[in-house]
Amino acid sequence: QKEVEQNSGPLSVPEGAIASLNCTYSDRGSQSFFWYRQYSGKSPELIMFIYSNGDKEDGRFTAQLNKASQYVSLLIRDSQPSDSATYLCALYTGTASKLTFGTGTRLQVTL
Amino acid sequence: EAQVTQNPRYLITVTGKKLTVTCSQNMNHEYMSWYRQDPGLGLRQIYYSMNVEVTDKGDVPEGYKVSRKEKRNFPLILESPSPNQTSLYFCASQSSWMNTEAFFGQGTRLTVV
Repeated sequence: QKEVEQNSGPLSVPEGAIASLNCTYSDRGSQSFFWYRQYSGKSPELIMFIYSNGDKEDGRFTAQLNKASQYVSLLIRDSQPSDSATYLCALYTGTASKLTFGTGTRLQVTL
Repeated sequence: EAQVTQNPRYLITVTGKKLTVTCSQNMNHEYMSWYRQDPGLGLRQIYYSMNVEVTDKGDVPEGYKVSRKEKRNFPLILESPSPNQTSLYFCASQSSWMNTEAFFGQGTRLTVV
């Protein structure tokens, strides 16, 4: 089982809709969770991080963490074409001193 | 402006010709690392450094070397590049080794022919 799993997509949503991106992880000791956005050929940039169970909101973005189900998600409200990118889930596992990344979900926001 | 700077951005080289990709950060971060990104495989860590003169292997270290003589610089060295090292490379820095955000450089697209 991969340490961090994401559906590769593409996930296609119409402009103005809610995009829901999901990530599951295998290590129950994982402590902190990050969502990065990466435009094609560019470097990843941090969208949000979350440490505790529950929801964390920042503007149009909401991160949701459920440690019991080993699941973290990112909701993007009022999706815009500029949100079209690959979204990377990353986390610190309980044992490794590094960020472990999922392979990313490609999001397409259509007009 | 806080940033991680990589050079060059693009590089085409031939098999066996030694090359160095430079990385510099201006945030006084202790932890730096190198990743390669390949389609379907995501970001994989090559090497990391927890501080000056402290480096260690990541998940895919074969064929690479690094050094950390100064806190701000963390160059990636390919002594004898091979075509399977064709990839997109990112340098990243973090304030500490655990539970902190990674700041990425602009990336270096390397092609080895």
